[in-house]
Amino acid sequence: DIQLTQSPSSVSASVGDRVTITCRASQGISNWLAWYQQKPGNAPKLLIYAASSLHPGVPSRFSGSGSGTDFTLTISSLQPEDFATYYCQQANTFPYTFGQGTKLEIK
Amino acid sequence: EVHLVESGGGLVQPGGSLRLSCSASGFTFTNYLIAWVRQAPGKGLEWVANIKQDGSEKYYVDSVKGRFTISRDNAKISLFLQMNSLRVEDTAVYYCARGYSYMDVWGKGTTVTVSS
Repeated sequence: DIQLTQSPSSVSASVGDRVTITCRASQGISNWLAWYQQKPGNAPKLLIYAASSLHPGVPSRFSGSGSGTDFTLTISSLQPEDFATYYCQQANTFPYTFGQGTKLEIK
Repeated sequence: EVHLVESGGGLVQPGGSLRLSCSASGFTFTNYLIAWVRQAPGKGLEWVANIKQDGSEKYYVDSVKGRFTISRDNAKISLFLQMNSLRVEDTAVYYCARGYSYMDVWGKGTTVTVSS
């Protein structure tokens, strides 16, 4: 199975900060990667698909990049509603797998 | 509005069975692959299975192969997950989610607890 390792596992930041989360795959997955946001008690929400495509309705402060094994999710200017847990997911090979998550907390 | 609603969760003893359902509305069900994704308490997400539009192809994570069966009834606009030989480690919130590679619509989830 393809392993996805996110870093950091948690990060503290302030409103207005720029934050970057990385996701590394154990083998090349081309651009078959998505990013999700999950808030406590809620289902995940799709933010980015195909590594860099913004899902409709997602604010433009979210962006994704990368290909192969290394990917990043960037939030350009944190808003209060962005504090949540973020997961990457690979869709290159079954079984699909998720990263362990990155918890973004308020500093 | 697009909706997925899961049902059928509950408390079951180890070795028992449970059948989850997911009903869809607001979109053409037969155009989409649907998946089950689970989340154990306090843990991350785990993709469990998905099924093609016509039910001809199904894929499972290794930990549930031979125990879980995904199916769909397009006439009833519903997705199912038959779970047999349940283990304590199957305890989780189970979500159904729309999409083949990327899951763009999710239900609110149904909770399965496996405990004696």
